[in-house]
Amino acid sequence: AQSVTQLDSQVPVFEEAPVELRCNYSSSVSVYLFWYVQYPNQGLQLLLKYLSGSTLVKGINGFEAEFNKSQTSFHLRKPSVHISDTAEYFCAVRSTGFQKLVFGTGTRLLVSP
Amino acid sequence: DAGITQSPRHKVTETGTPVTLRCHQTENHRYMYWYRQDPGHGLRLIHYSYGVKDTDKGEVSDGYSVSRSKTEDFLLTLESATSSQTSVYFCAISEDGTGELFFGEGSRLTVL
Repeated sequence: AQSVTQLDSQVPVFEEAPVELRCNYSSSVSVYLFWYVQYPNQGLQLLLKYLSGSTLVKGINGFEAEFNKSQTSFHLRKPSVHISDTAEYFCAVRSTGFQKLVFGTGTRLLVSP
Repeated sequence: DAGITQSPRHKVTETGTPVTLRCHQTENHRYMYWYRQDPGHGLRLIHYSYGVKDTDKGEVSDGYSVSRSKTEDFLLTLESATSSQTSVYFCAISEDGTGELFFGEGSRLTVL
């Protein structure tokens, strides 16, 4: 079975500070990994994805994530956040051979001035 | 933006009544999904479809049924709504099933 753990339900940070949102996954086979963002009262949109190749993945809005197979992690980072980054962020995993994408419980990023 | 439309966007109903949510896409994508979003649970897969008339269950399928008679439409039915089905429901589509999903705006359902 595949599962995703986002340890932090909420991360407060000041504007222009760096941020890391943590994601750990569990799967017995190879995986595809994703980060999605949800702004208030909207659907989710893809931030970045890891399918294969380079373990450092760059996404939209200056976000990046690193796939670490030995630690089964896919943490999301941004060197300097903006107020507009305030949103909920979801990590998701799909194991190869399965059609189902499993989401974590989400991390709410709160950026204040 | 991917062409996904969910209807209705908001609905209030009473326990025991049937409810149907509709997802319509204009992208001709093969895969369609229904998720529910609840605080503390993130998104949980209810059902998904990998082609016309081809569907499968997700992790929280009890009390829900789906149908897909055309590529563009994926219907989610609650045969007899219960208060535990109060939630925000999201439809999503995928061209290749890798996990890159495009989401609709959501349908907020309240069961009294």
